[in-house]
Amino acid sequence: EAGVAQSPRYKIIEKRQSVAFWCNPISGHATLYWYQQILGQGPKLLIQFQNNGVVDDSQLPKDRFSAERLKGVDSTLKIQPAKLEDSAVYLCASSLEQGVSLNTEAFFGQGTRLTVV
Amino acid sequence: RKEVEQDPGPFNVPEGATVAFNCTYSNSASQSFFWYRQDCRKEPKLLMSVYSSGNEDGRFTAQLNRASQYISLLIRDSKLSDSATYLCVVSRMDSSYKLIFGSGTRLLVRP
Repeated sequence: EAGVAQSPRYKIIEKRQSVAFWCNPISGHATLYWYQQILGQGPKLLIQFQNNGVVDDSQLPKDRFSAERLKGVDSTLKIQPAKLEDSAVYLCASSLEQGVSLNTEAFFGQGTRLTVV
Repeated sequence: RKEVEQDPGPFNVPEGATVAFNCTYSNSASQSFFWYRQDCRKEPKLLMSVYSSGNEDGRFTAQLNRASQYISLLIRDSKLSDSATYLCVVSRMDSSYKLIFGSGTRLLVRP
């Protein structure tokens, strides 16, 4: 079974530039998550989709971050303009059902490592 | 205060040692509990779910104390390959089910 695919793996940009990340979840997974993981910290949820609808974006800095999941399959996360503190790994994850229970596992992609200089 | 708190470590133990990690969570509405493992520069992967009665998977034992809002992970007979960061994770219903991650506990197993 193919896993969660993310691209690019690495990105270096200057502050105030824009950047976009792409995620293709596991086939058939209804729920898609974007997490931000800063070095030395645990992943922090940015946005959660159920099919093509947003169910949680409470921690997404909406003045600079945006995300979409057209057609309820793959998703893009965009940052415009980037700040130095956006340097982090951006992880995409998917799960079969809405939310997570003892019977539902979230599978993560390898992440995109963003460096803002 | 963070919603999920862990000792960051690192825990530096010899092969064969038994090591225990603790985690506390602050939101009593938390419903499901997990331990994820994250290798250096890799993505998190589910290690095990944590059941109310406690559960064991080979050398790994997880315990949950809802009254104290406390979760533990015990690793027996540590292997070099156990070296990783162990993330304590809770799930709760807010506007949707959310996975809340701790900052992780780093384990180093030495020969």
